This record gives sequence, C-alpha cells and structure tokens, in this order.
Amino acid sequence: ETGVTQTPRHLVMGMTNKKSLKCEQHLGHNAMYWYKQSAKKPLELMFVYSLEERVENNSVPSRFSPECPNSSHLFLHLHTLQPEDSALYLCASSLAWGLAGGKHEQFFGPGTRLTVL
Amino acid sequence: QKEVEQNSGPLSVPEGAIASLNCTYSDRGSQSFFWYRQYSGKSPELIMSIYSNGDKEDGRFTAQLNKASQYVSLLIRDSQPSDSATYLCAVEIQGAQKLVFGQGTRLTINP
Repeated sequence: ETGVTQTPRHLVMGMTNKKSLKCEQHLGHNAMYWYKQSAKKPLELMFVYSLEERVENNSVPSRFSPECPNSSHLFLHLHTLQPEDSALYLCASSLAWGLAGGKHEQFFGPGTRLTVL
Repeated sequence: QKEVEQNSGPLSVPEGAIASLNCTYSDRGSQSFFWYRQYSGKSPELIMSIYSNGDKEDGRFTAQLNKASQYVSLLIRDSQPSDSATYLCAVEIQGAQKLVFGQGTRLTINP
C-alpha cells in the first residue's frame, strides 16, 4: 500500500455514459496527478494539481474533466468517451510540485482499469 | 528523439545473475531520476531515486547516473523470479517541472 487509493478499480462504460474516478491520498502531499497508461505506450501525464490548483493540462480532450476539492482528493469526471480512451488510469501524489531533489517522488495508486464500449 | 528512451525488451536473465537496465534521456538539465517497478496488471512502484552522479545502492538494487552521458541505469544483483516485471525510468524535465517516463523494459528472471 502506497497511501494512495483509487475507486473503482474496474469500470466498463458506454460512450454516452457519465462516470467519475476517485483518488484519495493519505500521505499529506500537496500535489496530485492523473496519468493514462495504454498498452505499449509510456505513461502519459494528463493533469497536475498543486495545492488544489490545476497547474498542468497536458492537451487532454474536454471529455475528461478533473476536480480537486482539497489536497487529499482528486476526481476525474468522464463523459462521452471513445473506445480509444480505454486504458489504465493512474492517480499519483508527491510532497510538492515543481521542486527537484526528492520532493518530486511520486507515489501511485492501484489504478482504475477503464473499458469504453 | 524521445525524451526518455529504454529498450523495451524483453530482457531475460537467469536467476542469481545481475540484471542491467538502461535508460537515456535528452534533457541535459535534468536533475532527478527515478526507477519504478510495475508488475503485470499493477501500478508503478517507486524503487530507486538518484540525483547525483555515481552509484546509489539499496539492498540488491544499484542505480547509476552519468549526467555527462545522459545515462541512468539500474542493476539488480542476485536476481529472483519475483523481480520479473516491467521497469520504468522516469526523468524530471527541467523547466517543464514534470516527470517523463520511458516506455519501460520488460525483465524476465528465469529459474
């Protein structure tokens, strides 16, 4: 256990559905991240939140909508997804964002395996 | 050129031998480097971080960094079947203030 939890662990949804992924960290960290991991591709950074403020939006389509109500919780709201959005969605946290030398060590949750039909 | 490059493997190593995993990166100003282990169907797990040139040892793992050559490696001594996994190299890109991950090297330890 890394101290980062994600729910649900598996999600199957149709292209017209709306669903949300939830992430919670119990590490007292100030930065949280959403990543997408597709087969045979490197981890892709989607969003970064630092102290509840979005600081990075890596050209992600608007059908993905993040929300960070406080420094411990992060959501990813999904709507009208496409089959190519099927992937493992990973949440991570770090002590801080934008600072080198150890504070950028990121710890991952178990991920949500998303299948879009 | 990719920002972080790894040989995707698979790399097969006999049990008890040394496994050597390599990673090169393009940003000469990078200062922080990380190795993650990812078992099939699981999420990445941080196993080593290194910030200075030279070697850093932690148990059976040794990370090696050569900033002049823009090269970071991970050695696993006395390899065990439980070390079979994909190993991800991550580099903090200066200025971009984010980690960039390589594609990962799939390692198989053969009993």
